[in-house]
Amino acid sequence: QQQVKQSPQSLIVQKGGISIINCAYENTAFDYFPWYQQFPGKGPALLIAIRPDVSEKKEGRFTISFNKSAKQFSLHIMDSQPGDSATYFCAASDTGGFKTIFGAGTRLFVKA
Amino acid sequence: NAGVMQNPRHLVRRRGQEARLRCSPMKGHSHVYWYRQLPEEGLKFMVYLQKENIIDESGMPKERFSAEFPKEGPSILRIQQVVRGDSAAYFCASSPHAESTDTQYFGPGTRLTVL
Repeated sequence: QQQVKQSPQSLIVQKGGISIINCAYENTAFDYFPWYQQFPGKGPALLIAIRPDVSEKKEGRFTISFNKSAKQFSLHIMDSQPGDSATYFCAASDTGGFKTIFGAGTRLFVKA
Repeated sequence: NAGVMQNPRHLVRRRGQEARLRCSPMKGHSHVYWYRQLPEEGLKFMVYLQKENIIDESGMPKERFSAEFPKEGPSILRIQQVVRGDSAAYFCASSPHAESTDTQYFGPGTRLTVL
């Protein structure tokens, strides 16, 4: 019940295309869903986050879509660029808790 | 404002030796989290500490692993009698507040290799 399932494991997208990464969770106590971006040899960095009181959040080319009833959320990267090539992790936590549970990650490669 | 610092960045140990990983949180942050990342896997929570206190160590293996965050100095993750399965990247993160919804700022990680 503590798991966050992430798919796909890897993704290849053409420059200018849309990258879509999906995550699903089971614990209904989760109420905060961040996405992290990690470049090789670096630590993860917060990209964008959403709470379940909204169904979508957009920041520049990055959009989170959230479906509370299905317990799913996804990251969309519009106009994908080679510089977006990285590993993306979805995560979930509950307010008042201390743990953030991470998905297994998606390796994105954007072809020039 | 320097980010989260971890050292060493790479650490090689032989089986049975001890590994000490250090983490200096961002200035003004008093909450530290340690995570382990195995190759091709996500980050697994290990332990959450505040100054001088272990708050949640539910992700720590029961034996050989310990963590501390003293009043002065960095947080230390200590692995005694390392085994090959301990080879992984260890990341620490810090936040200014206690809530898990607070942004966690990650360090660059320590890559431990056990020969």
